[in-house]
Amino acid sequence: QVQLQESGPGLVKPSETLSLTCTVSGGPINSYYWSWIRQPPGKGLEWIGNIFYSGSTNYNPSLKSRVTMSVDTSKNQFSLKLSSVTAADAAVYYCARAQNGLWLNYWGQGTLVTVSA
Amino acid sequence: DIQMTQSPSTLSASVGDRVTITCRASQSISTWLAWYQQRPGKAPKLLIYKASSLESGVPSRFSGSGSGTEFTLTISSLQPDDFATYYCQQYNSYSLTFGGGTKVEIK
Repeated sequence: QVQLQESGPGLVKPSETLSLTCTVSGGPINSYYWSWIRQPPGKGLEWIGNIFYSGSTNYNPSLKSRVTMSVDTSKNQFSLKLSSVTAADAAVYYCARAQNGLWLNYWGQGTLVTVSA
Repeated sequence: DIQMTQSPSTLSASVGDRVTITCRASQSISTWLAWYQQRPGKAPKLLIYKASSLESGVPSRFSGSGSGTEFTLTISSLQPDDFATYYCQQYNSYSLTFGGGTKVEIK
């Protein structure tokens, strides 16, 4: 059974860069698309972007200027960097597997990121 | 960008009720639509993909229909485990967008 686990700092200062890693176990990272999604407390879901195992990416246009995603197939991990964070970036961040880049069939448990000085 | 609008935003229902949630796209997305269930404090769970295909392991009381711009998720007989928030999600041109969510509450 494929499992995903997010990791990274739970507290980021305003204007700094949020960095998260998702570790995939129980299956290969190769041949799949991988996604980041976030959910501010009490609000809905927002797709951040997809990365293919080869490294090609697609980002949400509203976040594109601040987002960088990368993949490390040797570690079965993929990562998210979001620069110049503000309070509006505080959310639970989820990683997920995007079947054919289209629908999200495996999810991590999510990690809460707070933005505060 | 394609916008997804769900209705209602909140729905009150009883165990055994038939429940229908609607999702409308701002432009045609063919059948490129998925539905998710999210319980409080948990990650979303895929229920339906390609508008009407049931994800493996999901109870058959869940069904999806629609194409183009209008889609529905139906729960044929609401069970206690089904009180949750439901989201639609479209995929088009390598971009994904979620609807605002429908919270199904106990009546």
